[in-house]
Amino acid sequence: EVQLVESGGGVVRPGGSLRLSCTASGFTFGDYGMSWVRQAPGKGLQWVSGINRNGDIRVYADSLKGRFTISRDNAKNSLFLQMNSLRAEDTAFYFCARPDEDGNPLYRYWGQGALVTVSS
Amino acid sequence: DIHMTQSPSTLSASVGDRVTITCRASQSIGRWLAWYQQKAGKTPKLLIYKTSDLESGVPARFSGSGSGTEFTLTISSLQADDFATYYCQQYSSFSSFGPGTKVDIK
Repeated sequence: EVQLVESGGGVVRPGGSLRLSCTASGFTFGDYGMSWVRQAPGKGLQWVSGINRNGDIRVYADSLKGRFTISRDNAKNSLFLQMNSLRAEDTAFYFCARPDEDGNPLYRYWGQGALVTVSS
Repeated sequence: DIHMTQSPSTLSASVGDRVTITCRASQSIGRWLAWYQQKAGKTPKLLIYKTSDLESGVPARFSGSGSGTEFTLTISSLQADDFATYYCQQYSSFSSFGPGTKVDIK
């Protein structure tokens, strides 16, 4: 059974940093690209970032480029999102999600989400 | 980023109604369009991909059509389980989601 479990969420002050983790199980992690998608409470979905299987191709939503960094450790079946210079509008549930076998960002598997709250 | 819009933002309907949701892309995305259903407190569920391909296990009352910049999701006969929020997603250039359409009870 595919499982994705996020951790590292919490409350952070504006301008602060936070690192999210996603631990995967139930599939061969290194065979799949991975993504982050976020959703502000009561709002819509926003695609955040994606990374390919071996981590050498990373893509970001234009509005987030430069502040967020996606990475992965295939040996530890883990995906990460380093978030810097956080703003109130970054407050959201952050989901890790697995693209399909061809690397298309079609998400059949989602984690339960990690809540990040940016507040003073 | 490719910008996605959806209409309407909210749709009130009754069980048995035919429901259509429209999604538009700011530039052509071919047929690289997916639809998701999300219920309160749950993660999104993939319904349709590549405009019209039905995800395994999704009822046949769901269908999708379109190409280029304009797409539709149709529910042929709305069921009680279908009251939810629906999102379109382009995956022609990275990815982006529409703002969602909430289908609620009339």
